[in-house]
Amino acid sequence: AQRVTQPEKLLSVFKGAPVELKCNYSYSGSPELFWYVQYSRQRLQLLLRHISRESIKGFTADLNKGETSFHLKKPFAQEEDSAMYYCAVSTDSWGKLQFGAGTQVVVTP
Amino acid sequence: EPEVTQTPSHQVTQMGQEVILRCVPISNHLYFYWYRQILGQKVEFLVSFYNNEISEKSEIFDDQFSVERPDGSNFTLKIRSTKLEDSAMYFCATLLAIQETQYFGPGTRLLVL
Repeated sequence: AQRVTQPEKLLSVFKGAPVELKCNYSYSGSPELFWYVQYSRQRLQLLLRHISRESIKGFTADLNKGETSFHLKKPFAQEEDSAMYYCAVSTDSWGKLQFGAGTQVVVTP
Repeated sequence: EPEVTQTPSHQVTQMGQEVILRCVPISNHLYFYWYRQILGQKVEFLVSFYNNEISEKSEIFDDQFSVERPDGSNFTLKIRSTKLEDSAMYFCATLLAIQETQYFGPGTRLLVL
């Protein structure tokens, strides 16, 4: 079955420490991978997508087709990074997104 | 920056009642979506809409659900006879073109009693 897996429900890190959020997918073909973020009381917003290969707010994510992973990383977490992070996959021609369960990141000072 | 808007922000309804959730897409966007998130669960795709018709729908989107864009601006999700399990946050998303970014609305929290 097609699936997006985020194994960590909660990730608690200290400010300045590295943070890595794991995402694995099980789709054939060439899916598009995204990371969306939802800050407290705000809407879902795109953080980054694999085809743009850019770094947003210090976050990067590398698509590893061999391991079917798209892990999100930031070398030095900031308190404002505290949020819910969703990995998402788009595999069809209509743009439908399939989301992972999300990882809550808490950055403590 | 233009935003997707949704109304109402919250709605409480009795089981069996009809509800209509409204979304105003970003003006030049062509693809429209509804997603829902039951409390504590993942965001789930419901339906996609393009060129005034449904392009894809999930198993969740049964005969009780319908979507339309009656006036070329609002994009609505109707639930004909609500059930307790329809209680969720409903998100609208819009897209200019495939492979572009989907923009999400703030959501409507629906509570069915």
